[in-house]
Amino acid sequence: NAGVMQNPRHLVRRRGQEARLRCSPMKGHSHVYWYRQLPEEGLKFMVYLQKENIIDESGMPKERFSAEFPKEGPSILRIQQVVRGDSAAYFCASSPTAGTLVPEAFFGQGTRLTVV
Amino acid sequence: AQTVTQSQPEMSVQEAETVTLSCTYDTSESDYYLFWYKQPPSRQMILVIRQEAYKQQNATENRFSVNFQKAAKSFSLKISDSQLGDAAMYFCAYRSAEGGDMRFGAGTRLTVKP
Repeated sequence: NAGVMQNPRHLVRRRGQEARLRCSPMKGHSHVYWYRQLPEEGLKFMVYLQKENIIDESGMPKERFSAEFPKEGPSILRIQQVVRGDSAAYFCASSPTAGTLVPEAFFGQGTRLTVV
Repeated sequence: AQTVTQSQPEMSVQEAETVTLSCTYDTSESDYYLFWYKQPPSRQMILVIRQEAYKQQNATENRFSVNFQKAAKSFSLKISDSQLGDAAMYFCAYRSAEGGDMRFGAGTRLTVKP
């Protein structure tokens, strides 16, 4: 059973370009979470999605950022018109449906975004 | 909203010694989960240990154990017989029993001295 897969591992974008980060959850997991980690800081929650639904986007910046988790395919975190302050590691995590015996989330290895 | 606080940005321990990392949290819920994650330089987030709030017994995983004080909202991690491979960032995290996202502390960087 493959773990949470994120790609690319590293992404370099020029200011003003778009960044698309992909996350394939573990098999059987229907909940996906995106976190951002700035250098030397903890993980900050961005958005929580289930298939075709955004459950909680309270941590997502109001502009330029969007996320989706379609019925088929990976979850996508999209950052439009990137700025240098968007440079960070972006982590995806997945968990099974709520109410299971496995309450922890499983993390991917992250995508390090560098905006030049 | 739930908040998680780790008041020790950095800690250091001698190899084979014991170290305790602190974590406090704030919540109005009675049922929840607490976690310690380890993040080595590879950046991979690795689950170290998990505690269910409804369990009074402290969780233990080999050399890792917790001191869970529910009334004080404290959840410290004790690492016994520290090894060089334990050097990493350690994050404390909270999750409601109703599900949803996990909330993380700012992390503690642990250095292990040979």
